[in-house]
Amino acid sequence: QITLKESGPTLVKPTQTLTLTCTFSGFSLSTDTVAVGWIRQPPGKALEWLALIHWNDDKRYTPSLSSRLFITKDTSKNQVFLTMTNMDPVDTATYYCAHRRKEGSAWYPFDYWGQGTRVTVSS
Amino acid sequence: DIVMTQSPDSLAVSLGERATINCKSSQSLLYSSNNKNYLAWYQHKPGQPPKLLIYWASTRESGVPERFSGSGSGTDFTLTISSLQAEDVAVYYCQQYFTTPLFGPGTKVDIK
Repeated sequence: QITLKESGPTLVKPTQTLTLTCTFSGFSLSTDTVAVGWIRQPPGKALEWLALIHWNDDKRYTPSLSSRLFITKDTSKNQVFLTMTNMDPVDTATYYCAHRRKEGSAWYPFDYWGQGTRVTVSS
Repeated sequence: DIVMTQSPDSLAVSLGERATINCKSSQSLLYSSNNKNYLAWYQHKPGQPPKLLIYWASTRESGVPERFSGSGSGTDFTLTISSLQAEDVAVYYCQQYFTTPLFGPGTKVDIK
């Protein structure tokens, strides 16, 4: 059974750096058929994909935020981390991590999601 | 860059009636090597994580009720709820995964 859970601060100040942790079970990021991504949803707005990390440490970022994002993993601890620098009130959102799988040569969409963690940016 | 649009922004449908949501991509999502459309549909209810409903444009995820169906190919796609139930009230997003993931703006579905 695949599960993911996000954790991190609920409140950060403007200009601070946010680090979120995704702790997962039921799969390993050491296999070549798995990736983990981060997605956020600001209040009243749409889902926005942020970052993706693959088993081989291949990383992808949404272009508009790529200068502020950094995704890493600790395979031994079954964790993925998202760091976002220079936080602003517009970054207030619920942040989700999610699992992707590959079958053959085809990547599937995000099929398992964490419950999300709410982050507020305010002084 | 691929741009995803959805229509309508919101719709209200009577219980038991059909709901139709459209999604359009600025580039074809059909991958010629495997003849698959890299388009997914999600259902998102308040306080819950998004739920994958449909992938490959028309394949229902395990456990998803048959009243949910997806169709389309290339750049134009549709999600249909054949008989709207109260529990279907949610925001529905299309997502392309042909390149790095991108969600559409969402369509809110309510009961009339």
